[in-house]
Amino acid sequence: DAGVIQSPRHEVTEMGQEVTLRCKPISGHNSLFWYRQTMMRGLELLIYFNNNVPIDDSGMPEDRFSAKMPNASFSTLKIQPSEPRDSAVYFCASSRGINTEAFFGQGTRLTVV
Amino acid sequence: DQQVKQNSPSLSVQEGRISILNCDYTNSMFDYFLWYKKYPAEGPTFLISISSIKDKNEDGRFTVFLNKSAKHLSLHIVPSQPGDSAVYFCAASGEYGNKLVFGAGTILRVKS
Repeated sequence: DAGVIQSPRHEVTEMGQEVTLRCKPISGHNSLFWYRQTMMRGLELLIYFNNNVPIDDSGMPEDRFSAKMPNASFSTLKIQPSEPRDSAVYFCASSRGINTEAFFGQGTRLTVV
Repeated sequence: DQQVKQNSPSLSVQEGRISILNCDYTNSMFDYFLWYKKYPAEGPTFLISISSIKDKNEDGRFTVFLNKSAKHLSLHIVPSQPGDSAVYFCAASGEYGNKLVFGAGTILRVKS
């Protein structure tokens, strides 16, 4: 299995532009997570899907952030409009179910200038 | 409100000695706990886990201890090796299915 695949690996964009991050979870996993890594809060959970349904989006910082999971093999995290404070590494992870470990992608480093 | 807390931002240990990383949690609904290791420019990788029905789980050089009454867990690495130098994250789940909540991480440096 190729593991969790995220694209792009790096994204540099100008403030105000729309940014879309993509994730392909491991086949057969029914839970998908989007995290943002920050110095202060470590791995901050943004949103959690189970069987393609958003279960908890309380971590999404603002209405500028949105996430979708149209099918079991694809998810997107969109920021519109982007701001410099959104600059961070964004990770996608997937897991098989309750009380199992989550597997992470390599992350997308987002820089908003 | 951070439900999983790693109060030590960094730890430095001599090669061959024991590394002890600590984690506290506040949510009594958590029933599954994990440790992850992260190298720069890579995603976190799973290290070891423990269910709340146990108080200890061991895997080679890595042992996780869980003290439910104190809402505290720790990761012991014996003996520590320079390749163990990384950021270690504590995580917990159980409040909402397998929603996984992480702490802020501890940077471990193992000196040779």
